[in-house]
Amino acid sequence: NAGVTQTPKFQVLKTGQSMTLQCAQDMNHEYMSWYRQDPGMGLRLIHYSVGAGITDQGEVPNGYNVSRSTTEDFPLRLLSAAPSQTSVYFCASRLGTGVYGYTFGSGTRLTVV
Amino acid sequence: QQPVQSPQAVILREGEDAVINCSSSKALYSVHWYRQKHGEAPVFLMILLKGGEQKGHEKISASFNEKKQQSSLYLTASQLSYSGTYFCGPEAQGGSEKLVFGKGTKLTVNP
Repeated sequence: NAGVTQTPKFQVLKTGQSMTLQCAQDMNHEYMSWYRQDPGMGLRLIHYSVGAGITDQGEVPNGYNVSRSTTEDFPLRLLSAAPSQTSVYFCASRLGTGVYGYTFGSGTRLTVV
Repeated sequence: QQPVQSPQAVILREGEDAVINCSSSKALYSVHWYRQKHGEAPVFLMILLKGGEQKGHEKISASFNEKKQQSSLYLTASQLSYSGTYFCGPEAQGGSEKLVFGKGTKLTVNP
């Protein structure tokens, strides 16, 4: 049981480049979310999904796209990277609402220059 | 809307107690609590449900006052291992698919 796996762990992008942050979980969790973490700002929700084929926007969705074609995978796409997207990105999953907490991946540290 | 946590930071000596508060502007169904150590991912501590009992994890316990839309995390006889940033994540009435966290409370426990 690997839990929530994020790749890559580190990435440097140039302004304007695009890339996809990968997130996969092997716990058959229906709910998955992407958060970004910046100093002093806590964890801010980017996008979330309640199952395959269903996604919705969080607090800070601009500049990011997501899709959920399978239960296991929830990739986050940066369309045209900007320095403001320099951050640590966490993917998290949980079985459902109610009594279930989130399991977080180890994070991707992204720097946009 | 982001919940409000207080205090923003607290420094303790080993063995001292601390309370971290979390307030929401919405009617709540549950509150999550997580701890994040420096350079690591957040880790789930506990969830409190509306109408449920106070819960505990090690010497860390929490309460949930749904009428006041508040939750408090109690750290008793703190240990060095309790150092980290604590986040609350309230869920709106009826359950919610998304979890919005507060900005966190940084706890430092010194010997």
